Amino acid sequence: QKEVEQDPGPLSVPEGAIVSLNCTYSNSAFQYFMWYRQYSRKGPELLMYTYSSGNKEDGRFTAQVDKSSKYISLFIRDSQPSDSATYLCAMRTTQGGSEKLVFGKGMKLTVNP
Amino acid sequence: GAGVSQTPSNKVTEKGKYVELRCDPISGHTALYWYRQSLGQGPEFLIYFQGTGAADDSGLPNDRFFAVRPEGSVSTLKIQRTERGDSAVYLCASSLLSAANEQFFGPGTRLTVL
Repeated sequence: QKEVEQDPGPLSVPEGAIVSLNCTYSNSAFQYFMWYRQYSRKGPELLMYTYSSGNKEDGRFTAQVDKSSKYISLFIRDSQPSDSATYLCAMRTTQGGSEKLVFGKGMKLTVNP
Repeated sequence: GAGVSQTPSNKVTEKGKYVELRCDPISGHTALYWYRQSLGQGPEFLIYFQGTGAADDSGLPNDRFFAVRPEGSVSTLKIQRTERGDSAVYLCASSLLSAANEQFFGPGTRLTVL
């Protein structure tokens, strides 16, 4: 079992839809949870990060972390064609001086006009 | 300002050859990371530098892979005796400090081993 599991999709939605993306994880030492967006042939760019459990909102994006269930989510409201990209969840611990990010597989999202 | 840059953007080589991939981090960033992204997968950690030293090289798959950062800025990832399974996009990221929550990624080097 991989440390971080993410359904790779693909997911196709009409413009204006609410999109829900999810990841599960097995390592209870993860404390920081991130969502990255990656356009084709580009490097990932950070959308949001959350420390420990709770919600965080930034414009049309909301990140949720439920540590008791080892489950994280990203919601996109009023989705736009420009949101079409691959969305990667990533996590890291604060233990042992490790700075590495552990990524999910990525979910390919297409928002149709 | 300038982001993380990586050269070359594409590299095609033959099985058994040696390759070097270069990363120029954002100026002033002390932490530098290498990841490898295979088709349809998320990035996988290879190595992390804090300054000139490799603080964590636990992700390097075997001793054919080696990375250096001699002056604490530019880094080179070196792969000896390349194999077809090494074909992937090699991503470099940097952050201002260690334990920073934002790692800024470059566009990657697409390596193809024939």
